[in-house]
Amino acid sequence: GQSLEQPSEVTAVEGAIVQINCTYQTSGFYGLSWYQQHDGGAPTFLSYNALDGLEETGRFSSFLSRSDSYGYLLLQELQMKDSASYFCAVRPRGYQLIWGAGTKLIIKP
Amino acid sequence: EPEVTQTPSHQVTQMGQEVILRCVPISNHLYFYWYRQILGQKVEFLVSFYNNEISEKSEIFDDQFSVERPDGSNFTLKIRSTKLEDSAMYFCASSSGTGESPLHFGNGTRLTVT
Repeated sequence: GQSLEQPSEVTAVEGAIVQINCTYQTSGFYGLSWYQQHDGGAPTFLSYNALDGLEETGRFSSFLSRSDSYGYLLLQELQMKDSASYFCAVRPRGYQLIWGAGTKLIIKP
Repeated sequence: EPEVTQTPSHQVTQMGQEVILRCVPISNHLYFYWYRQILGQKVEFLVSFYNNEISEKSEIFDDQFSVERPDGSNFTLKIRSTKLEDSAMYFCASSSGTGESPLHFGNGTRLTVT
């Protein structure tokens, strides 16, 4: 089968840095995406890695190691509005994205 | 900023009834998708649509489901005979390409089957 594993919940303090890990086992691999979803809202795109290494977009960075089937999302200078669920997703082939179960990020003041 | 719009935001239906969920993708996007999310669970792929035909579908997308792009702007998902387990949030998404092109999601339709 195809699966993505990520922690169910992470807690951090406002202003801190947090890393959300994702490991995947899929039949193919075209890239790893990260999406943010606030309660009751739509998933919104954060980042995409097709090649090994770090991609930086403002306070958010995403890393990929294809040899380890592993990636992470790094959030810096945490703000209360970053409280949300974060999903990693892989496109193994074709058009569909396979999603992890999501990591709920709880931020404390 | 252009966005994907979905209607209705909430649909309640009785088991066995047909429902149609409607979506207007971003106008210059070429790829359209339906995903669903059962409350508190992960997002699941249902179907992708490109060039007026289904390009890929999942095991969930059985004969009870169908999609249509009737008029060049709307993109619909029909569930012919709803079951209790169809209760979920249904998200429509569109993208300008595949690969690194991000999916743009609508706000979803919460379907409740009683």
